[in-house]
Amino acid sequence: DAGITQSPRYKITETGRQVTLMCHQTWSHSYMFWYRQDLGHGLRLIYYSAAADITDKGEVPDGYVVSRSKTENFPLTLESATRSQTSVYFCASSEALRAPAETQYFGPGTRLLVL
Amino acid sequence: AQKVTQAQTEISVVEKEDVTLDCVYETRDTTYYLFWYKQPPSGELVFLIRRNSFDEQNEISGRYSWNFQKSTSSFNFTITASQVVDSAVYFCALSAPGGNKLVFGAGTILRVKS
Repeated sequence: DAGITQSPRYKITETGRQVTLMCHQTWSHSYMFWYRQDLGHGLRLIYYSAAADITDKGEVPDGYVVSRSKTENFPLTLESATRSQTSVYFCASSEALRAPAETQYFGPGTRLLVL
Repeated sequence: AQKVTQAQTEISVVEKEDVTLDCVYETRDTTYYLFWYKQPPSGELVFLIRRNSFDEQNEISGRYSWNFQKSTSSFNFTITASQVVDSAVYFCALSAPGGNKLVFGAGTILRVKS
Protein backbone atom coordinates (compact mmCIF):
# COMPACT_ATOMS: atom_id res chain seq x y z
CA ASP A 1 0.00 0.00 0.00
CA ALA A 2 2.14 2.88 -1.33
CA GLY A 3 -0.30 5.71 -0.54
CA ILE A 4 1.16 8.79 -2.12
CA THR A 5 4.57 8.81 -3.74
CA GLN A 6 6.73 11.47 -5.35
CA SER A 7 9.59 11.20 -7.78
CA PRO A 8 12.33 12.08 -7.95
CA ARG A 9 13.08 12.60 -4.28
CA TYR A 10 16.05 14.82 -5.10
CA LYS A 11 16.75 16.81 -8.22
CA ILE A 12 19.48 19.21 -9.26
CA THR A 13 18.93 21.20 -12.42
CA GLU A 14 20.14 24.35 -14.09
CA THR A 15 18.44 27.65 -14.70
CA GLY A 16 16.27 27.58 -17.79
CA ARG A 17 15.73 23.84 -17.92
CA GLN A 18 12.34 22.20 -17.82
CA VAL A 19 11.73 19.94 -14.84
CA THR A 20 8.79 17.68 -14.09
CA LEU A 21 8.01 16.43 -10.63
CA MET A 22 5.77 13.40 -10.42
CA CYS A 23 3.07 12.58 -7.90
CA HIS A 24 1.11 9.34 -7.74
CA GLN A 25 -1.56 8.25 -5.24
CA THR A 26 -3.19 4.88 -4.79
CA TRP A 27 -6.15 5.97 -2.68
CA SER A 28 -8.36 7.16 -5.57
CA HIS A 29 -8.61 10.52 -3.85
CA SER A 30 -10.43 13.18 -5.84
CA TYR A 31 -8.31 16.11 -4.78
CA MET A 32 -4.60 16.55 -5.32
CA PHE A 33 -2.36 19.46 -4.41
CA TRP A 34 1.12 20.81 -4.96
CA TYR A 35 2.83 22.89 -2.29
CA ARG A 36 6.26 24.38 -1.94
CA GLN A 37 7.96 24.71 1.43
CA ASP A 38 10.36 27.56 2.06
CA LEU A 39 11.88 28.72 5.32
CA GLY A 40 9.69 31.30 6.99
CA HIS A 41 6.74 30.68 4.69
CA GLY A 42 5.43 27.32 5.76
CA LEU A 43 3.73 25.56 2.89
CA ARG A 44 2.27 27.56 0.03
CA LEU A 45 -0.19 26.14 -2.45
CA ILE A 46 0.95 26.15 -6.06
CA TYR A 47 -1.87 24.34 -7.86
CA TYR A 48 -4.63 21.96 -6.98
CA SER A 49 -7.01 19.65 -8.77
CA ALA A 50 -10.51 18.58 -7.80
CA ALA A 51 -10.66 15.73 -10.32
CA ALA A 52 -9.14 14.54 -13.57
CA ASP A 53 -8.93 17.40 -16.08
CA ILE A 54 -9.90 19.99 -13.44
CA THR A 55 -7.07 22.15 -12.12
CA ASP A 56 -6.86 25.56 -10.51
CA LYS A 57 -4.24 28.00 -9.32
CA GLY A 58 -3.18 28.37 -5.76
CA GLU A 59 -1.24 31.12 -4.05
CA VAL A 60 2.03 30.90 -6.02
CA PRO A 61 1.35 29.43 -9.50
CA ASP A 62 3.70 31.55 -11.64
CA GLY A 63 6.32 29.52 -13.46
CA TYR A 64 4.52 26.21 -12.92
CA VAL A 65 2.24 24.07 -15.06
CA VAL A 66 0.13 21.11 -13.99
CA SER A 67 -1.99 18.49 -15.68
CA ARG A 68 -4.21 15.70 -14.48
CA SER A 69 -5.21 13.27 -17.16
CA LYS A 70 -5.64 10.41 -14.68
CA THR A 71 -7.06 10.57 -11.18
CA GLU A 72 -3.97 9.00 -9.63
CA ASN A 73 -1.31 11.23 -11.19
CA PHE A 74 -0.66 14.94 -10.80
CA PRO A 75 2.64 16.04 -12.37
CA LEU A 76 4.09 19.49 -11.74
CA THR A 77 6.26 21.06 -14.44
CA LEU A 78 8.65 23.95 -14.08
CA GLU A 79 8.76 25.21 -17.64
CA SER A 80 11.99 27.18 -17.29
CA ALA A 81 13.48 26.69 -13.86
CA THR A 82 14.74 29.69 -11.91
CA ARG A 83 16.85 29.82 -8.76
CA SER A 84 13.86 31.13 -6.82
CA GLN A 85 12.18 27.80 -7.47
CA THR A 86 14.75 26.01 -5.34
CA SER A 87 12.54 24.51 -2.67
CA VAL A 88 11.01 21.38 -1.24
CA TYR A 89 7.89 20.37 -3.12
CA PHE A 90 5.12 18.39 -1.52
CA CYS A 91 2.25 16.67 -3.20
CA ALA A 92 -0.91 15.92 -1.20
CA SER A 93 -4.25 14.30 -1.77
CA SER A 94 -7.64 14.22 -0.07
CA GLU A 95 -11.00 12.63 -0.49
CA ALA A 96 -13.91 14.20 -2.31
CA LEU A 97 -15.20 17.30 -0.60
CA ARG A 98 -17.96 16.59 1.93
CA ALA A 99 -17.05 19.41 4.33
CA PRO A 100 -15.34 22.78 4.02
CA ALA A 101 -12.09 20.82 4.09
CA GLU A 102 -11.03 17.22 4.11
CA THR A 103 -7.76 16.03 5.59
CA GLN A 104 -4.85 16.21 3.19
CA TYR A 105 -2.25 13.46 3.21
CA PHE A 106 1.21 14.31 2.00
CA GLY A 107 3.85 12.61 -0.06
CA PRO A 108 7.49 12.43 1.10
CA GLY A 109 8.53 15.55 -0.79
CA THR A 110 10.98 16.38 -3.58
CA ARG A 111 14.02 18.52 -2.86
CA LEU A 112 14.79 20.63 -5.92
CA LEU A 113 17.95 22.65 -6.34
CA VAL A 114 18.19 25.04 -9.29
CA LEU A 115 21.72 26.16 -10.03
CA ALA B 1 -8.44 36.51 3.64
CA GLN B 2 -7.41 33.52 5.66
CA LYS B 3 -4.26 33.80 7.72
CA VAL B 4 -2.49 31.58 10.23
CA THR B 5 0.11 32.94 12.62
CA GLN B 6 2.53 30.77 14.52
CA ALA B 7 4.44 33.42 16.42
CA GLN B 8 6.92 31.00 18.00
CA THR B 9 9.61 30.40 15.41
CA GLU B 10 11.57 27.99 17.58
CA ILE B 11 11.12 26.47 21.04
CA SER B 12 13.68 24.49 23.00
CA VAL B 13 12.72 22.40 26.01
CA VAL B 14 14.27 19.69 28.10
CA GLU B 15 12.80 16.24 27.98
CA LYS B 16 9.74 15.72 30.23
CA GLU B 17 8.81 19.39 30.15
CA ASP B 18 5.36 20.37 28.92
CA VAL B 19 5.31 22.65 25.89
CA THR B 20 2.54 24.59 24.16
CA LEU B 21 2.66 25.60 20.51
CA ASP B 22 0.52 28.60 19.68
CA CYS B 23 -1.66 29.02 16.62
CA VAL B 24 -3.77 32.10 15.92
CA TYR B 25 -5.94 32.29 12.84
CA GLU B 26 -8.00 34.81 10.92
CA THR B 27 -11.04 33.97 8.84
CA ARG B 28 -14.41 35.45 7.93
CA ASP B 29 -15.95 32.04 7.41
CA THR B 30 -18.40 30.76 9.99
CA THR B 31 -17.61 27.15 9.16
CA TYR B 32 -14.02 26.12 8.83
CA TYR B 33 -11.53 23.47 9.84
CA LEU B 34 -8.23 23.68 11.65
CA PHE B 35 -5.38 21.21 11.36
CA TRP B 36 -2.05 20.40 12.92
CA TYR B 37 0.73 18.59 11.07
CA LYS B 38 4.09 17.36 12.30
CA GLN B 39 7.24 17.36 10.17
CA PRO B 40 9.98 15.28 11.82
CA PRO B 41 13.63 15.60 10.76
CA SER B 42 13.04 12.92 8.11
CA GLY B 43 10.94 15.51 6.25
CA GLU B 44 7.54 13.95 5.74
CA LEU B 45 4.37 15.69 6.88
CA VAL B 46 2.27 13.75 9.34
CA PHE B 47 -1.35 14.62 10.00
CA LEU B 48 -2.15 15.04 13.70
CA ILE B 49 -5.64 16.49 14.06
CA ARG B 50 -8.56 18.08 12.22
CA ARG B 51 -11.05 20.19 14.16
CA ASN B 52 -14.41 21.59 13.06
CA SER B 53 -15.13 25.21 13.98
CA PHE B 54 -18.36 24.15 15.68
CA ASP B 55 -16.60 21.76 18.02
CA GLU B 56 -14.87 23.70 20.76
CA GLN B 57 -14.23 20.75 23.02
CA ASN B 58 -10.62 20.20 23.88
CA GLU B 59 -9.14 17.02 22.52
CA ILE B 60 -6.57 14.75 24.10
CA SER B 61 -4.65 11.98 22.40
CA GLY B 62 -2.03 10.43 24.62
CA ARG B 63 0.51 13.12 25.45
CA TYR B 64 -0.99 15.50 22.89
CA SER B 65 -3.84 17.89 23.60
CA TRP B 66 -5.44 20.68 21.66
CA ASN B 67 -7.22 23.76 22.99
CA PHE B 68 -9.59 25.44 20.54
CA GLN B 69 -10.94 28.85 21.55
CA LYS B 70 -13.09 30.65 19.01
CA SER B 71 -13.24 33.75 21.21
CA THR B 72 -9.51 34.30 20.74
CA SER B 73 -9.23 32.58 17.32
CA SER B 74 -6.65 30.20 18.69
CA PHE B 75 -5.98 26.50 18.30
CA ASN B 76 -3.05 25.72 20.57
CA PHE B 77 -1.24 22.41 20.80
CA THR B 78 0.27 21.09 24.02
CA ILE B 79 2.69 18.21 24.38
CA THR B 80 2.85 16.83 27.89
CA ALA B 81 6.07 15.28 29.17
CA SER B 82 7.91 15.98 25.94
CA GLN B 83 10.27 13.41 24.46
CA VAL B 84 13.20 13.70 22.10
CA VAL B 85 11.07 12.07 19.39
CA ASP B 86 8.75 15.08 19.56
CA SER B 87 11.48 17.20 18.00
CA ALA B 88 10.01 18.39 14.73
CA VAL B 89 8.49 21.32 12.90
CA TYR B 90 4.80 21.69 13.69
CA PHE B 91 2.41 23.38 11.29
CA CYS B 92 -1.02 24.74 11.99
CA ALA B 93 -3.38 25.09 9.01
CA LEU B 94 -6.79 26.61 8.31
CA SER B 95 -9.27 25.69 5.60
CA ALA B 96 -9.79 28.32 2.91
CA PRO B 97 -13.07 28.69 1.05
CA GLY B 98 -13.45 26.91 -2.25
CA GLY B 99 -11.58 23.89 -3.49
CA ASN B 100 -10.68 22.18 -0.27
CA LYS B 101 -7.63 24.39 0.19
CA LEU B 102 -5.51 24.91 3.29
CA VAL B 103 -3.56 27.92 4.46
CA PHE B 104 -0.54 27.04 6.56
CA GLY B 105 1.30 28.93 9.26
CA ALA B 106 5.06 29.35 8.99
CA GLY B 107 5.64 26.52 11.44
CA THR B 108 7.25 26.19 14.87
CA ILE B 109 10.49 24.30 15.30
CA LEU B 110 10.41 22.27 18.51
CA ARG B 111 13.70 20.99 19.89
CA VAL B 112 13.50 18.58 22.80
CA LYS B 113 16.83 17.97 24.50
CA SER B 114 17.64 14.95 26.60
